[in-house]
Amino acid sequence: DSGVTQTPKHLITATGQRVTLRCSPRSGDLSVYWYQQSLDQGLQFLIQYYNGEERAKGNILERFSAQQFPDLHSELNLSSLELGDSALYFCASSQRDSYNEQFFGPGTRLTVL
Amino acid sequence: AQTVTQSQPEMSVQEAETVTLSCTYDTSESDYYLFWYKQPPSRQMILVIRQEAYKQQNATENRFSVNFQKAAKSFSLKISDSQLGDAAMYFCAYRSVFASGGGADGLTFGKGTHLIIQP
Repeated sequence: DSGVTQTPKHLITATGQRVTLRCSPRSGDLSVYWYQQSLDQGLQFLIQYYNGEERAKGNILERFSAQQFPDLHSELNLSSLELGDSALYFCASSQRDSYNEQFFGPGTRLTVL
Repeated sequence: AQTVTQSQPEMSVQEAETVTLSCTYDTSESDYYLFWYKQPPSRQMILVIRQEAYKQQNATENRFSVNFQKAAKSFSLKISDSQLGDAAMYFCAYRSVFASGGGADGLTFGKGTHLIIQP
């Protein structure tokens, strides 16, 4: 158990819909990262938040957005969903001034029908 | 942008034998971190080993060791005394040291190598 929690574990929805994925980082970790793992694209970094502020962006689509709240949990919002958005979405967390080891949550499996 | 290449989609090894997984990367940076992550069928991402580019000594964690060749931009993972529990996807990953905004950037992953352990 990495200490990072993600809900829900599975999510099935239809094209055009909007969903929200939730992540709680390890206690004391200020950085949260979101990754997408799909058969086509592999594992891709989407976005990072540090202590409530956006820190870095990767290959995140404009239909996707994220935020980190004062209690440090984070949410990833996916809208206008397409079939190709079906993937495993990971959240990871890390401390700022450590070896920057990122601890991954168990992931949310999103299926878009 | 950095890229990470794992040229072996699948590897197979007999239990108790040694196997080496290959990884090459492309970067113009002089300092960075490299990682190997394991993803078993449970899909959990587990850090196996990490290497700081400024360190010449290869990292070792129990049965896992790396061969880091900075000039060749190569970072292979050696698993000794392979066990059935080692069966998983293995991902090589890169992370910049000088990340934007003073925080840590995301990891850049290779496509992965599926490791099969033959009993």
